[in-house]
Amino acid sequence: GIQVEQSPPDLILQEGANSTLRCNFSDSVNNLQWFHQNPWGQLINLFYIPSGTKQNGRLSATTVATERYSLLYISSSQTTDSGVYFCAVDGFGNEKLTFGTGTRLTIIP
Amino acid sequence: DGGITQSPKYLFRKEGQNVTLSCEQNLNHDAMYWYRQDPGQGLRLIYYSQIVNDFQKGDIAEGYSVSREKKESFPLTVTSAQKNPTAFYLCASKIQGANGYTFGSGTRLTVV
Repeated sequence: GIQVEQSPPDLILQEGANSTLRCNFSDSVNNLQWFHQNPWGQLINLFYIPSGTKQNGRLSATTVATERYSLLYISSSQTTDSGVYFCAVDGFGNEKLTFGTGTRLTIIP
Repeated sequence: DGGITQSPKYLFRKEGQNVTLSCEQNLNHDAMYWYRQDPGQGLRLIYYSQIVNDFQKGDIAEGYSVSREKKESFPLTVTSAQKNPTAFYLCASKIQGANGYTFGSGTRLTVV
């Protein structure tokens, strides 16, 4: 199956800083999503982005499908951005979502 | 509002007992999924179902069972054969062939 690697595993930043999270995947993907898991465990869908670039407020994401990676950008970080960010993908004809191990982001006031 | 409902949020069971976790969706989604998450780790696929009355094993199906008698419902039974059942369980759904998965809020199971 598709392998998904996320980096860095942990990131600690001061409030107001910018951050970039990376997701590498091992094969062509049909679906790629970025999720934020809040302290209660709920997975919040941030982006559906198998290719291209999207922006939503302070967050944006870019997927370069030909090079098999995706980036999540968080600008002007706030303490509420803390949590674990997951990248998840599925392949063509294989509709099972595979998750990376996540990046734990901690924003310090 | 359409969505996925998992119940209960917290569940405690004695070792050796079977327990069933509920997952219901009113999104008219075809496919449903069960994932397990252990502390500090990512999500691993237990079982999935793409149509009613059919389901497939995921990566860690041993010790679990499912049924899909209705489109809206995909209950997961954690059996006594599951060696380490204490975990956070998440249910998801999507429309077959379409984009984006929707997740429920999860059930935290503790076996004592």
